[in-house]
Amino acid sequence: DGGITQSPKYLFRKEGQNVTLSCEQNLNHDAMYWYRQDPGQGLRLIYYSQIVNDFQKGDIAEGYSVSREKKESFPLTVTSAQKNPTAFYLCASSIMGGQYSNQPQHFGDGTRLSIL
Amino acid sequence: GEDVEQSLFLSVREGDSSVINCTYTDSSSTYLYWYKQEPGAGLQLLTYIFSNMDMKQDQRLTVLLNKKDKHLSLRIADTQTGDSAIYFCAETLTDSWGKFQFGAGTQVVVTP
Repeated sequence: DGGITQSPKYLFRKEGQNVTLSCEQNLNHDAMYWYRQDPGQGLRLIYYSQIVNDFQKGDIAEGYSVSREKKESFPLTVTSAQKNPTAFYLCASSIMGGQYSNQPQHFGDGTRLSIL
Repeated sequence: GEDVEQSLFLSVREGDSSVINCTYTDSSSTYLYWYKQEPGAGLQLLTYIFSNMDMKQDQRLTVLLNKKDKHLSLRIADTQTGDSAIYFCAETLTDSWGKFQFGAGTQVVVTP
């Protein structure tokens, strides 16, 4: 079955540590997205990528980094510069239709990150 | 600028209809979406409507769009306990390269 796989489901970070969240999709989607979800605040866009080897900052990119070396994969690194990383992180993907794209986004099951 | 607003909480009795409301500010929205999120899970696409439509029905779900007032609603008929979840409204804009603007979500609690 096609879908989006996020791993791990739960992740703990120590002070000063970088951690990487995995997102893999087998939907053959061009675009991939990372969101952060905090209680009562909805989803905020961290980074997005429309094509391999290209990505753009979203609304809250500071303290995060991404790479897009393969179409199927879009890992997110939460760096030590992110002082409040505790949140639920969601990865999504969609068919890319260009500047006027309006394709639905499909989501993984999320990774919950906490500070030790 | 873009903004999507929803009420934060809705309580409904099992068997009744639920109506979840959403307002958006950007008139250049093209598609408007409803997603459902169960505890500890990702978002599940429920339905979406193109901005030149007034209504869309899909089994127990009815989406109403009032473009003049920039108001979107999702009606769930015969609400069941399995409908308890957070519901998100989202919009895409005409030149956003597929980016979404999400509301904060409405927590729906279904009571027996």
